[in-house]
Amino acid sequence: GAGVSQSPRYKVAKRGQDVALRCDPISGHVSLFWYQQALGQGPEFLTYFQNEAQLDKSGLPSDRFFAERPEGSVSTLKIQRTQQEDSAVYLCASSLGTAVNEKLFFGSGTQLSVL
Amino acid sequence: AQSVAQPEDQVNVAEGNPLTVKCTYSVSGNPYLFWYVQYPNRGLQFLLKYITGDNLVKGSYGFEAEFNKSQTSFHLKKPSALVSDSALYFCAVTGDSWGKLQFGAGTQVVVTP
Repeated sequence: GAGVSQSPRYKVAKRGQDVALRCDPISGHVSLFWYQQALGQGPEFLTYFQNEAQLDKSGLPSDRFFAERPEGSVSTLKIQRTQQEDSAVYLCASSLGTAVNEKLFFGSGTQLSVL
Repeated sequence: AQSVAQPEDQVNVAEGNPLTVKCTYSVSGNPYLFWYVQYPNRGLQFLLKYITGDNLVKGSYGFEAEFNKSQTSFHLKKPSALVSDSALYFCAVTGDSWGKLQFGAGTQVVVTP
């Protein structure tokens, strides 16, 4: 497909489990963002990649959260020792270039439920 | 610091009537403003953006937005709403070098036939 693809669509984890969320951006898109969207809220920024370089991780809520994009395309967001407060929809977005005013293309998200 | 306020949790409008969704913002430096729409079980979709220039911006699906610098507002408008416009609308702002967006909490639009 031509859009941003995220998998899995739904993930249920027991508290304390590690999870990995995958994002396939649009081919050729340089910029990649991860956002966290809690129920009834707007998306909150987590981290930003330009190609393989993670240029901003100021939004990651704790050191349990880790993101990578080793080859400048697919990205993985990993959450270690999940907690109930991690339950949210995790959105990935990409854009073609690096201009601050570019529109983002969003995936449908991964809904994480931590029990 | 960047912030966005969408004062209405929900806006109800009859089909054919004008639709307005309010947004005010705070950002250091020049603002870049966006509207995105979210349909159930789908990702956010870009509607329009303001970068510079004309204060009235036209976007997808007949939507437009007016940038007002003195009131720090960027209200979304549509002259004649459709039932299919029912969705969750997000205003977002950035002044950040990476284009890191600060989103509002969203406004649910309900258009009744």
